[in-house]
Amino acid sequence: EAEVAQSPRYKITEKSQAVAFWCDPISGHATLYWYRQILGQGPELLVQFQDESVVDDSQLPKDRFSAERLKGVDSTLKIQPAELGDSAMYLCASSLTTYEQFFGPGTRLTVL
Amino acid sequence: ILNVEQSPQSLHVQEGDSTNFTCSFPSSNFYALHWYRWETAKSPEALFVMTLNGDEKKKGRISATLNTKEGYSYLYIKGSQPEDSATYLCAFMEYGNKLVFGAGTILRVKS
Repeated sequence: EAEVAQSPRYKITEKSQAVAFWCDPISGHATLYWYRQILGQGPELLVQFQDESVVDDSQLPKDRFSAERLKGVDSTLKIQPAELGDSAMYLCASSLTTYEQFFGPGTRLTVL
Repeated sequence: ILNVEQSPQSLHVQEGDSTNFTCSFPSSNFYALHWYRWETAKSPEALFVMTLNGDEKKKGRISATLNTKEGYSYLYIKGSQPEDSATYLCAFMEYGNKLVFGAGTILRVKS
């Protein structure tokens, strides 16, 4: 069964360092999403891609976060510099249809 | 700002107990309501996508109902098993495909 892949699964970094997360969506899925889940809250959409174009990045803190999907397949989310408040689970999802999003296992980020 | 609320926040039950959770969401601009099950160290797994008022969906021992007019959905688990232990997330989808998640209900089933 096809799955969304994410790496690394866990990342510990010090504040002010740069971190990057990678996502490989299910083959053929044109839409890709990055979510952030802070402990005790639900996942929140950071950025949505349709192929290589950004559709929604209204909740992405653009002063320190960037996301790209250069060839419309896999995607990278970067944080530079990381802050203590960035500690969270970062989830990637992809979809083929309007309704259903398939999630990866996430990257757990801890900023010290 | 859209608000999706889930209750209870957490639930501890004995194996064999039946349980239910609530998801409350805005009753305007409704497009779909999603339920996900998220086990520790795994990917969130889609349980149901519900679109019509009065929808009832069932998968094994798990079922869900939807009331879009009053803005709530119930998820039921009949005869809970330890493998049902997970976080159950609901997500409201408005026009434009954006999912707005609740904070989830953590279920722990003791054997």
